[in-house]
Amino acid sequence: DQQVKQNSPSLSVQEGRISILNCDYTNSMFDYFLWYKKYPAEGPTFLISISSIKDKNEDGRFTVFLNKSAKHLSLHIVPSQPGDSAVYFCAASGGNTPLVFGKGTRLSVIA
Amino acid sequence: DTAVSQTPKYLVTQMGNDKSIKCEQNLGHDTMYWYKQDSKKFLKIMFSYNNKELIINETVPNRFSPKSPDKAHLNLHINSLELGDSAVYFCASSQFGRETQYFGPGTRLLVL
Repeated sequence: DQQVKQNSPSLSVQEGRISILNCDYTNSMFDYFLWYKKYPAEGPTFLISISSIKDKNEDGRFTVFLNKSAKHLSLHIVPSQPGDSAVYFCAASGGNTPLVFGKGTRLSVIA
Repeated sequence: DTAVSQTPKYLVTQMGNDKSIKCEQNLGHDTMYWYKQDSKKFLKIMFSYNNKELIINETVPNRFSPKSPDKAHLNLHINSLELGDSAVYFCASSQFGRETQYFGPGTRLLVL
C-alpha cells in the first residue's frame, strides 16, 4: 500500500531545459511534503519542502507545486544542470504518520 | 564536520551472526531515526528516538534493537542476521516537531 507514489522511475532532460518530477499521494492527512535528492552511495539530501497551506514554494532553480485537491505535487528544476543528475525522492508526513517516501525518480540531465 | 555519520559504511557477514551499526549526529538535534532501503528501493522508517526514548517502532522484528546512549547517538544492533536483512540502512536526525530530516551516508549490509 504505497501512500506516496512516483510513477516515473526515470527521466532524461537536456541541459538548460526544465525538469518536472511528479509525485502523488493517497493519505489526506498528509500536510507536509519534502523532496530529497540522492547521489549514488550517499544519503538523501533535503532539497525543498512545502506545507499544505501553500501551493508553491520556490528556492533558486527549484520550485515545488502542490495541488491538494488532486493529491499531487511536482518539483520543477529550471534550468537543469548535469549536476542535478540524481535520484529524487518525494516524501510526505502528517497526522500521526511518520515520513513516508516514494520510490524515487532517477533524473539524468544530458549535456 | 560531517553532520550525520554512520559506521561502518559496508558490512558483509554470514547468516546467523550479530552485528551493530553506529550513528552519530552533530547537528544538536533531539530526534534520530533508522530507515531501511530494500532491494525495491523503498525507504521505510524502522525506529525513531526522541531524547533517548523510543517513539516510533514500525513493526520491525525483535532481532533489531536500537539503542540511544544519548541524544547524539542511535545505534542499531541486529541479532541472528537473515538473508532478507540485506539492504542499505540509513540513519537520520531532526529537531522534534520539524519535518526536515538529515540523513547519514548509509550502511550497506550484505548477509551471505
